[in-house]
Amino acid sequence: AQKITQTQPGMFVQEKEAVTLDCTYDTSDQSYGLFWYKQPSSGEMIFLIYQGSYDEQNATEGRYSLNFQKARKSANLVISASQLGDSAMYFCAMREKVGTGGFKTIFGAGTRLFVKA
Amino acid sequence: NAGVTQTPKFQVLKTGQSMTLQCAQDMNHEYMSWYRQDPGMGLRLIHYSVGAGITDQGEVPNGYNVSRSTTEDFPLRLLSAAPSQTSVYFCASSYGTGYEQYFGPGTRLTVT
Repeated sequence: AQKITQTQPGMFVQEKEAVTLDCTYDTSDQSYGLFWYKQPSSGEMIFLIYQGSYDEQNATEGRYSLNFQKARKSANLVISASQLGDSAMYFCAMREKVGTGGFKTIFGAGTRLFVKA
Repeated sequence: NAGVTQTPKFQVLKTGQSMTLQCAQDMNHEYMSWYRQDPGMGLRLIHYSVGAGITDQGEVPNGYNVSRSTTEDFPLRLLSAAPSQTSVYFCASSYGTGYEQYFGPGTRLTVT
């Protein structure tokens, strides 16, 4: 059974500092994808970054980077130069192929990030 | 381009009532999913679809039915609402395996 684990229910970071949000996953598949989403207090889900299991380089999107360590099955999100607007809930998700060509995406429980001024 | 739309935004049901949560997307995405979000539980997959006419169960399918007669629409049916189904429900769609999901704004459902 696949599983996504986010061990940090809440995190504090000082404005302008970097922060790492942890995510570990469990799968027996070789082909999978890892995603991070942000959910601000308004409730919408915002896609941040994607890493494919065969991607050799860590994904980056602006201030977001994904520290992908395949052997350790971890996919940590690094946010550089934190801003007050980064305060939100962050979800790690994994997509696996199922059946013949389909896939499903499972989410972790999330980490709530608080950015202090 | 409206993206993913969900109706209603809020709903209160009595135990035993049935209802359908509507979800539609106008991006011609093949993949669609329904999730429920409860405090401290993240998003849990209820049902998903890889194309019109094809659906499958996710992590928590009991008490819910889905169908996918068109690419655009993916309704979620609650057959006999229970207080345990009080939650926020999100519909999502995606272009393909390596692409992100686009989420609807959510439906907040309360069952009394």
